[in-house]
Amino acid sequence: QVQIQQWGAGVLRPSETLSLTCAVFGEPFRGYYWHWIRQPPGKGLEWIGKINHSGSTNYNPSLESRATISEDTSENQFSLKLTSLTAADTAIYYCVRGSDFWTFEYWGQGSLVSVSS
Amino acid sequence: QSALTQPASVSGSPGQSITISCTGTSSDVGGYNYVSWYQQRPGKAPKLMIHDVSNRPSGVSHRFSGSKSGNTASLTISGLQAEDEADYYCSSYRSGSILLFGGGTKLTVL
Repeated sequence: QVQIQQWGAGVLRPSETLSLTCAVFGEPFRGYYWHWIRQPPGKGLEWIGKINHSGSTNYNPSLESRATISEDTSENQFSLKLTSLTAADTAIYYCVRGSDFWTFEYWGQGSLVSVSS
Repeated sequence: QSALTQPASVSGSPGQSITISCTGTSSDVGGYNYVSWYQQRPGKAPKLMIHDVSNRPSGVSHRFSGSKSGNTASLTISGLQAEDEADYYCSSYRSGSILLFGGGTKLTVL
């Protein structure tokens, strides 16, 4: 069964850039959709964007100008960069796999990112 | 404000059935059979419970079922158990290759 391990971030300052990476183990990287989803403390889920097996990306329009999702298929990894951080970007960030574009099947453990001056 | 509307909370007693609604528009819930439901327990990552409106992944209890009518999707949990207490989120595809979540519903088992 697929295992997703994620790392990066922690505490960042306003205007800095967030960088997170997920590694995939146990199953092929290609052939799936790889998403980033975030959840502010005590609040709901927000889809950030996705990259698929052909490298095609889609983003939440509200974050598209600041978010970049990329992949490294040789390392079975995919990454998120989010620029111009503000306190509103404080959240748990999840990397997630789907067999199709619209379903979130397997979730990473989540990484807490705090933006504070 | 979330793009998909869910009740903030629902409750039920053990053994009862409850239904959580998820209302969108004809551009998302009503236009595609791409609605999913997720269960999230405190401190844990969400878990897929229903996909494509009414399909259960392997390992998910038959007590969980999904349906859709017009612009509203629903998750029904029958034979409520204490372990079902959690937050539940719906998600849907929206035209233009966008994915949306509901605001989440807190289920309390009395």
